[in-house]
Amino acid sequence: DAGVIQSPRHEVTEMGQEVTLRCKPISGHDYLFWYRQTMMRGLELLIYFNNNVPIDDSGMPEDRFSAKMPNASFSTLKIQPSEPRDSAVYFCASSFGQGNSPLHFGNGTRLTVT
Amino acid sequence: GNSVTQMEGPVTLSEEAFLTINCTYTATGYPSLFWYVQYPGEGLQLLLKATKADDKGSNKGFEATYRKETTSFHLEKGSVQVSDSAVYFCAPRNQAGTALIFGKGTTLSVSS
Repeated sequence: DAGVIQSPRHEVTEMGQEVTLRCKPISGHDYLFWYRQTMMRGLELLIYFNNNVPIDDSGMPEDRFSAKMPNASFSTLKIQPSEPRDSAVYFCASSFGQGNSPLHFGNGTRLTVT
Repeated sequence: GNSVTQMEGPVTLSEEAFLTINCTYTATGYPSLFWYVQYPGEGLQLLLKATKADDKGSNKGFEATYRKETTSFHLEKGSVQVSDSAVYFCAPRNQAGTALIFGKGTTLSVSS
């Protein structure tokens, strides 16, 4: 199993540009999660999906952030326009089934907005 | 909602020392409990889990016991190695399949 695959690994962009982060979950998993990690705030849940449907997006910081899951094998997190305070590592994770199933994390995308 | 309290550290130990990282949680219902480890530059990896009261999760010499009465899931290892240096996260997950909610994690640094 290839695990959760995220791309790109690193992204450097200028303030105001659109950024799209991509995630391919583990095949057969029905939950997908997006997290953001910073030194100040730690790991924050942004949004999660169940069977491609967004369940809780209360962690999405503001309207500049949007996430989609058009099918079971692909999700995107988009920031438009980007700002320097969006600089962080963004993680995607997936899991199969409910509460006693662990989340499997990708290696993250390190975003730097200058 | 769920929440976790764990020491942020850094926890600094010498090789072969005994490790305890405390974790207490609040959660609705009867959650499963997880410990994750994050090595530099990598994503989080599952270290161990427990799904019901008094269960003991174990892996790679690490152990944690689900204590429902004290809402705790403390991580222990009898003899740490330099390669255990990482950030450790405790997290509950509700049976309804909600997300894992993490604290800031505990940084462990082991020197030889």
